[in-house]
Amino acid sequence: DIQLTQSPSFLSASVGDRVTITCRASQGIDRYLAWYQQKPGKAPKLLIYTATTLQSGVPSRFRGSGFGTEFTLTISSLQPEDFATYYCQQLTNYPITFGQGTRLEIK
Amino acid sequence: QVHLVQSGAEVKRPGSSVKVSCKASGDPFSNYAVNWVRQAPGQGLEWMGMIIPISGSTNYAQKFQGRATITTDESTGTAFMELSSLTSDDTAVYYCATSGYSYGYGFPTWFDPWGQGTLVTVSS
Repeated sequence: DIQLTQSPSFLSASVGDRVTITCRASQGIDRYLAWYQQKPGKAPKLLIYTATTLQSGVPSRFRGSGFGTEFTLTISSLQPEDFATYYCQQLTNYPITFGQGTRLEIK
Repeated sequence: QVHLVQSGAEVKRPGSSVKVSCKASGDPFSNYAVNWVRQAPGQGLEWMGMIIPISGSTNYAQKFQGRATITTDESTGTAFMELSSLTSDDTAVYYCATSGYSYGYGFPTWFDPWGQGTLVTVSS
């Protein structure tokens, strides 16, 4: 199975901050990586697919980058609604796997 | 754009089975693959398996092989996930999610949208 390791697992930040979450894959996955945002009691929401493509309707302050084994999700200026848990997902090998999640909380 | 509505919460006894439904509206199921993902309380996301409705082809995570069964009823636009031999470790929210499917590559594409989730509680 391909392991995805996110760092950090927990992040405390303030409104207006720029934050970066890293997702490392145990083997190369080309650019077949997606990022999701999940708020408590809600289903995950797609933010970014194929590593860098912003899903329609997602604010442009979200940016994805990377290829192969190392990927990042950057939020350029945190808004109150961005405090949530973020997951990366690989789509190049079965089983489809997710990172363990990064919980982003208000400082 | 497809919209997914899942069946309601379930409470099951250990050793029994549960069948969760996921009804699509908007676009035919046949245009998508349907994936099932679960999330235990306070834990992360775990992919269980998928079905390509137009062919009936399925793929399961090895962990669930033989215990999970994913099907669709195209006449009603509904997908189902049945999980048998339940234990307390199966207590989780179960989500369906549609994706594209790359026939040339052999894998689903990104998951969007997702159903609202179905809480399954396994307790004696």
